[in-house]
Amino acid sequence: KAGVTQTPRYLIKTRGQQVTLSCSPISGHRSVSWYQQTPGQGLQFLFEYFSETQRNKGNFPGRFSGRQFSNSRSEMNVSTLELGDSALYLCASSLGGASDEQFFGPGTRLTVL
Amino acid sequence: DAKTTQPPSMDCAEGRAANLPCNHSTISGNEYVYWYRQIHSQGPQYIIHGLKNNETNEMASLIITEDRKSSTLILPHATLRDTAVYYCIVRVGANQGGKLIFGQGTELSVKP
Repeated sequence: KAGVTQTPRYLIKTRGQQVTLSCSPISGHRSVSWYQQTPGQGLQFLFEYFSETQRNKGNFPGRFSGRQFSNSRSEMNVSTLELGDSALYLCASSLGGASDEQFFGPGTRLTVL
Repeated sequence: DAKTTQPPSMDCAEGRAANLPCNHSTISGNEYVYWYRQIHSQGPQYIIHGLKNNETNEMASLIITEDRKSSTLILPHATLRDTAVYYCIVRVGANQGGKLIFGQGTELSVKP
């Protein structure tokens, strides 16, 4: 069974631009969660989507948004990029139940110049 | 805010058991304890999870105290490939899928 895939793997943008990241979950998984990892703040939860609805949300500004499609694939968008948005963005998929483990993708490395 | 406390670093000799402690004194009754590890900025890898009983799988064992305020991850025979950052996580909001709140983790170095 194929794992979680994320595209692109690396991305360079400039301040003020916007970016869209994509995540394809493991087949059959209905939940997709997004995380941001930076050296200073560590791994932080952004949001979770389940069956095309946002089910949980972290403490990030509204510039960070996401959506999920009917095939469970998910996209994350960051508008008006800031230097501090440079990070490794990880997505994780799961079946969506209370005790189901989350499987992480390799991440997208975003650099904002 | 993270709900877990872990030592920042630990060393272990290759072939010996690695015992990684974690405190989660504010854990709620329906919140699971998860362990993940991350090797050199790859995506975190799931290891094991539990609610209140001890758990074992092919990778590790998880020992949870009776009051559920702490737990220990045991890697029975550590190898050099087990060098990684290990995260102990309380899954918050378990009734609705839940989100993983990562702390700073323990950097485990397995030495020859």
